[in-house]
Amino acid sequence: DAGVIQSPRHEVTEMGQEVTLRCKPISGHNSLFWYRQTMMRGLELLIYFNNNVPIDDSGMPEDRFSAKMPNASFSTLKIQPSEPRDSAVYFCASSSTTGFGTEAFFGQGTRLTVV
Amino acid sequence: AQRVTQPEKLLSVFKGAPVELKCNYSYSGSPELFWYVQYSRQRLQLLLRHISRESIKGFTADLNKGETSFHLKKPFAQEEDSAMYYCALLGTGRRALTFGSGTRLQVQP
Repeated sequence: DAGVIQSPRHEVTEMGQEVTLRCKPISGHNSLFWYRQTMMRGLELLIYFNNNVPIDDSGMPEDRFSAKMPNASFSTLKIQPSEPRDSAVYFCASSSTTGFGTEAFFGQGTRLTVV
Repeated sequence: AQRVTQPEKLLSVFKGAPVELKCNYSYSGSPELFWYVQYSRQRLQLLLRHISRESIKGFTADLNKGETSFHLKKPFAQEEDSAMYYCALLGTGRRALTFGSGTRLQVQP
């Protein structure tokens, strides 16, 4: 398995444009997470899904952010309209409960720059 | 509410010196604690977890429930240990990790 796959790796967009980030979790994993990483705040959980169902979206900053998981192998995080303060690295991670607890496997991240 | 605090943004040591990356947490139940590491140009990956009580790459971490701490330690730092380290907590019944703000470890030659 190639691990969690995110696309694009880098995205530069103008303020006001729509941005869509994509994630393919590890096959067989039933939980998927979206995190945002910034210098000031570190890693923040935005939303997570279990069996394709959103469980906790309390970390989503505002209505401009939305996430979907139409099936077990694909998820999107959309920002519409984008703002400069959305600039960050966005990580997707997936996990499956094991006997030793839950290890999350992370993608390479998408570096978003909104100008 | 659950919270993870890593008080140091940057820790710089010389090769061969001992290292301790601090992590404190607040959680009312019995959490699982983890350390994740992000080397330059690599993805974030699990370093160790308190449940398995293992030593990985010479690093150890002991959960101190009295002090609500999970500090990461290594007796002799190596240059290849330079990376970003995140302490993380998993609350009872939850699947999503709560991360600290991270500590960048720089090991100088």
